[in-house]
Amino acid sequence: AQSVAQPEDQVNVAEGNPLTVKCTYSVSGNPYLFWYVQYPNRGLQFLLKYITGDNLVKGSYGFEAEFNKSQTSFHLKKPSALVSDSALYFCAVRSYAGNMLTFGGGTRLMVKP
Amino acid sequence: GAVVSQHPSRVICKSGTSVKIECRSLDFQATTMFWYRQFPKKSLMLMATSNEGSKATYEQGVEKDKFLINHASLTLSTLTVTSAHPEDSSFYICSALGTDKNSNYGYTFGSGTRLTVV
Repeated sequence: AQSVAQPEDQVNVAEGNPLTVKCTYSVSGNPYLFWYVQYPNRGLQFLLKYITGDNLVKGSYGFEAEFNKSQTSFHLKKPSALVSDSALYFCAVRSYAGNMLTFGGGTRLMVKP
Repeated sequence: GAVVSQHPSRVICKSGTSVKIECRSLDFQATTMFWYRQFPKKSLMLMATSNEGSKATYEQGVEKDKFLINHASLTLSTLTVTSAHPEDSSFYICSALGTDKNSNYGYTFGSGTRLTVV
């Protein structure tokens, strides 16, 4: 069975500071990893994904994530947070062979001015 | 980019009635559609997976006779909540898996439907 853990329910950061949202995963075989963002009463917006290749993945809105196979992690990062980044963030994983996404519990990011 | 149109965005219905939620992939073919339910401040719970032209596969604990899923074409899937009760009130989200370059071979989510059963 595949699973995703987002250990922090909420992350607070000041505007302009770097942010990190943590994610660890468990899956059989090579993982496909995703980050999504959700604003209130909206669906999920795709931020970035790791399929293969460079471990550092750059995505939308200045976000990036680093795939670490040995630590089974895929933390989301941004060098300088904006107040508008405040939202709910989900990490997700699927196996190479399957097509079902498994989501983490979500992390609420609060960026304060 | 790939877009999934989900309607309605909000619906209020009376107990005992049925509600249909539609998801359309606008510019790509979705061979697989996923339906999720999201409780307040919680993660997405997969309800069922549907492939075009075949019966949906429901997750354990999801009543298939209550949550009817139809995936009649490569661009349209519907979720019907039958005989709705207040406990069915939730946020429902669809996700389409594309297999072509227009979808970036990835998952595209609808904007969600807020269902309130009174």
